[in-house]
Amino acid sequence: AIRMTQSPSSFSASTGDRVTITCRASQGISSYLAWYQQKPGKAPKLLIYAASTLQSGVPSRFSGSGSGTDFTLTISCLQSEDFATYYCQQYYSYPKTFGQGTKVEIK
Amino acid sequence: EVQLLESGGNLVQPGGSLRLSCAASGFTFSSYAMSWVRQAPGRGLEWVSAVSVISDSGGSTYYADSVKGRFTISRDNSKNTLHLQMNSLRAEDTAVYYCAKEGYCSSISCYRHFDYWGQGILVTVSS
Repeated sequence: AIRMTQSPSSFSASTGDRVTITCRASQGISSYLAWYQQKPGKAPKLLIYAASTLQSGVPSRFSGSGSGTDFTLTISCLQSEDFATYYCQQYYSYPKTFGQGTKVEIK
Repeated sequence: EVQLLESGGNLVQPGGSLRLSCAASGFTFSSYAMSWVRQAPGRGLEWVSAVSVISDSGGSTYYADSVKGRFTISRDNSKNTLHLQMNSLRAEDTAVYYCAKEGYCSSISCYRHFDYWGQGILVTVSS
């Protein structure tokens, strides 16, 4: 199975900050990568797919980049509603695997 | 509007069985692959199983190693419903189970991320 490793696991940030989360795949997955946001007690929400394609309705402050094994999710100007846990996921092959999550907390 | 509504969650004893269902609406259910994803309390997301679109050659199913041989995924396109039959349940199967719709295929590629999720249903395995 392809292992997905996110970093950091958690961090604190302030509203207005630019934040970056990284995701590394244990083998090449081309651009078959998605990013999700999850808030407590809620289902995950798709933010980005194909590594850099913004899902319809998602604010443009979210962006994704990368291909092969290294990927990043960037939030250009953190808003209060962005404090949540973020997951990357590869869909290059089964079993589809998620990163362990990155929790973004309020500083 | 795409809607996915899970049902069937419950408290069950170790070794028992449970059948989850996911009622889909707002899209052509038969045209999309579907998956189950679970999340144990306080833990991350774990993909569980997927079923492909049913073609002339039949449909394909996929399972995580942790559930292979114990869980069975199926779909009823006539009722727009996805199922997960869970047998020989273990304490470590305790989780919120989400039904998720996979993305689309274009002429260039298939995008098999999860674009819509249900609200989740709790399965508790405990004596």
